[in-house]
Amino acid sequence: QSVLTQPPSVSGAPGQRVTISCSGSDSNFGAGFDVHWYQQLPGTAPKLLIYGDRNRPSGVPDRFSGSKSGTSASLAITGLQAEDEADYYCQSYDTSLSAWVFGGGTKLTVL
Amino acid sequence: QVQLQESGPGLVKPSETLSLTCSVSGGSIKKNHWAWIRQPPGKGLEWIGYISDSGNTDYNPSLKSRVTISIDTSKNQFSLTVLSLTAADTAVYYCARDYGSWGSRWFDPWGQGTLVTVSS
Repeated sequence: QSVLTQPPSVSGAPGQRVTISCSGSDSNFGAGFDVHWYQQLPGTAPKLLIYGDRNRPSGVPDRFSGSKSGTSASLAITGLQAEDEADYYCQSYDTSLSAWVFGGGTKLTVL
Repeated sequence: QVQLQESGPGLVKPSETLSLTCSVSGGSIKKNHWAWIRQPPGKGLEWIGYISDSGNTDYNPSLKSRVTISIDTSKNQFSLTVLSLTAADTAVYYCARDYGSWGSRWFDPWGQGTLVTVSS
């Protein structure tokens, strides 16, 4: 059980908007640590999608956006495409564990 | 751009020691931090630890007693050693660049990963 809680799965039809939540606590987001998001396509290594709560690395489409408020963060994907079907992970630092931690991951299914 | 490649044995016996190496190409290993992260089959990601180019390290407390990360700047490589392996250590092991500043550190890019199976 991770200290960053994500829903196990979300789904949406092509073209729709989906959001993936990442619930933290006072020992991570509430302590001022940023959230970062990764996309892991089947059989591949994770790829950085969002860093510093809301910043996109070069090459990441603007269909992907991140936000954080208090002890919760979320990743939004608009204009859903079949190629977005993947596992998504949030990541931050937790002071109670003294470790960089990941959420449990959310599997996105494009219907 | 920076690329990373893990290398090491795919099969290790229980109670033995695992040694993995990450080779960095397309850029210098200096002036960066580097990390190891693992993912058991079908499960989520677990941060193992990091090392700076000067050799400073930090480890996940859950693994600290069994893990060592070292760096060889002359070879542009860093390594992971895990002692006393059990089946629970079976995972894909990834190396990655650890980037950012205190309070906001992320991992990018990642190596392709190497599957390590602990079995007799």
